Amino acid sequence: DAGVTQSPTHLIKTRGQQVTLRCSPKSGHDTVSWYQQALGQGPQFIFQYYEEEERQRGNFPDRFSGHQFPNYSSELNVNALLLGDSALYLCASSLVGKGTDTQYFGPGTRLTVL
Amino acid sequence: AQSVTQPDIHITVSEGASLELRCNYSYGATPYLFWYVQSPGQGLQLLLKYFSGDTLVQGIKGFEAEFKRSQSSFNLRKPSVHWSDAAEYFCAAGILTGGGNKLTFGTGTQLKVEL
Repeated sequence: DAGVTQSPTHLIKTRGQQVTLRCSPKSGHDTVSWYQQALGQGPQFIFQYYEEEERQRGNFPDRFSGHQFPNYSSELNVNALLLGDSALYLCASSLVGKGTDTQYFGPGTRLTVL
Repeated sequence: AQSVTQPDIHITVSEGASLELRCNYSYGATPYLFWYVQSPGQGLQLLLKYFSGDTLVQGIKGFEAEFKRSQSSFNLRKPSVHWSDAAEYFCAAGILTGGGNKLTFGTGTQLKVEL
């Protein structure tokens, strides 16, 4: 049973550039959530996608956008990168309607903005 | 505002000693509660979860947690720590609604195990 996978593992960008991160959910899951974890901090919720629509959003600017595909995989896009966007980006998947919606996390993508 | 607090930033214990990591939450209603563990440079692994029912929850790797509604707490315990338990531990809470189930995390507790 494949778990949550993310790509790439590491990424280095410069300020002002744009980046796309990818996530494939755990087999059987239909919901994908994205979190940002800055160094030494707990993960912060960015947004959640279900049925190809943004279901819930945290306190992140519009530079952060996402997409969910019919196969439930998801992308996180960040435009006009800032130094402060350097972080570990975590994807989590879950299954709606199971009464608990436990989220399972992938290994993350480490983004460095120079 | 919803929040999760982990009062201890760092904890050091000797191998074989018992462990308790503290977690307090502030929510309008009783949330679902989770403990995750993160090894350096890795993602989060689910240790255990509480939704309802028995307030003492058993998890993987010999961990357990106790939900105390009166104290708004969900502390993680282990009777005998192993060197491989050294990692960062995160408490998280969420409310399941029709509009989503975002998790709110604490800032984490870094566990060091002395041999």
